[in-house]
Amino acid sequence: QVQLVQSGTEVWKPGASAKVSCRASEYTFTDFYIHWVRQAPGQGLEWMGWINPDNGGAEFAQRFKGRVTMTRDSSINTAYMELSRLTSDDTAVYYCARENDYGDFRGSFDSWGQGTLVTVSS
Amino acid sequence: DIQMTQSPSTLSASVGDRVTITCRASHFISNSLAWYQQVPGKAPKLLIYRASSLESGVPSRFSGSGSGPEFTLTISSLQPDDLATYYCQQYHNFWTFGQGTKVEL
Repeated sequence: QVQLVQSGTEVWKPGASAKVSCRASEYTFTDFYIHWVRQAPGQGLEWMGWINPDNGGAEFAQRFKGRVTMTRDSSINTAYMELSRLTSDDTAVYYCARENDYGDFRGSFDSWGQGTLVTVSS
Repeated sequence: DIQMTQSPSTLSASVGDRVTITCRASHFISNSLAWYQQVPGKAPKLLIYRASSLESGVPSRFSGSGSGPEFTLTISSLQPDDLATYYCQQYHNFWTFGQGTKVEL
């Protein structure tokens, strides 16, 4: 079945950049957008943005513009999310998720990665 | 931005109970609404999309209904595996989640 496997837990210093990977398998990688969602400890889900694995196009939530980059390497079915200028408020579990529009204009997220804990600490 | 407001924030129930969670959108979202279940320490799992369509493999005791601006997730007979936090999500204009509803015993 569809699988999204993310990179492991990382600890980053304030001001650094964190890069998380998401490797897809068991489906055609370029057919579905990949989104990134984060969840701070004990908090709810926050959408960050999406990338189109086919052409690399991306769009980000307003609050992350200028600080987030989303890329992909289609040769290895992997998407990446990089968040710069980290602060302690960025400590969270970061998820990648596959968008399935079921033929509609936009869609929900039918498959998720296992999550990557990013801890920002000096 | 479209805001999604869930109620209640916490719900106490017993096995076998009928459980209802409500989600209200601040703007028109058509039927572009999904429901997710999240067990502690795990990724969210899609239950319902397009407001009332059941995702493949999800038990039929889960159902979704409603149209803008109010939507409902119903669990017809609560099972022990259903103890989790539930989130609604709109995808009409970008993507926004509700704040979550924790279902506990």
